[in-house]
Amino acid sequence: QVQLVESGGGVVQPGKSLRLSCTASGFTFSDFGMHWVRQAPGKGLEWVAVIWFDGSNEYYTESVKGRFTISRDNSKNTVFLQMSSLRAEDTAVYYCVRDWGRGATTLEFWGQGTLVTVSS
Amino acid sequence: DIQMTQSPSSVSASVGDRVTITCRASQGISSWLAWFQQKPGKAPKLLIYTASTLQSGVPSRFSGSGSGTDFTLTITSLQPEDFATYYCQQGSIFPFTFGPGTKVDIK
Repeated sequence: QVQLVESGGGVVQPGKSLRLSCTASGFTFSDFGMHWVRQAPGKGLEWVAVIWFDGSNEYYTESVKGRFTISRDNSKNTVFLQMSSLRAEDTAVYYCVRDWGRGATTLEFWGQGTLVTVSS
Repeated sequence: DIQMTQSPSSVSASVGDRVTITCRASQGISSWLAWFQQKPGKAPKLLIYTASTLQSGVPSRFSGSGSGTDFTLTITSLQPEDFATYYCQQGSIFPFTFGPGTKVDIK
């Protein structure tokens, strides 16, 4: 069955960087687009970024453009979210999500999330 | 960005009730609309995509309808495991955006 396991979350100071990883299993990773979606404590869901199955396209929400970078290593079944210049408002649970298709269509399968806390 | 609104923001219902949640997009999104269920401390779960297609394994008491800007999620005969928060999400134009959520709780 599809499994997505996020890692790399933790407490980080404002202005610092953090890299999240998501390791996939149970499907052919290189056939699917991958997303990151976040949820601030007690708040709703916010889509963050997507990367195409082959890494050929990436899209971001405006608030993270220029600070976050999504990437993938298909040989390791892993998608990454490199986060820099972190702000308090980036504090959230970050979910790794597999798309239904090769690009960005439907947020089909979700990992359990990893908590990022930005605080001094 | 496309703004998504949902109504009601919360609803109290009993087991066996029929519950309807509406979602409106600030511009037309064709049928690129999905519905998710989230329980406390858990990841969201996809229920319906392309407005009306039931995700595999989701009970048939869940259904979706609509296109363009107005959409509906209906739960017929609410079950105890259905008490949760429901989100709509548009997948038509980047950035993808979610509605604020509708909490379904026990009356």
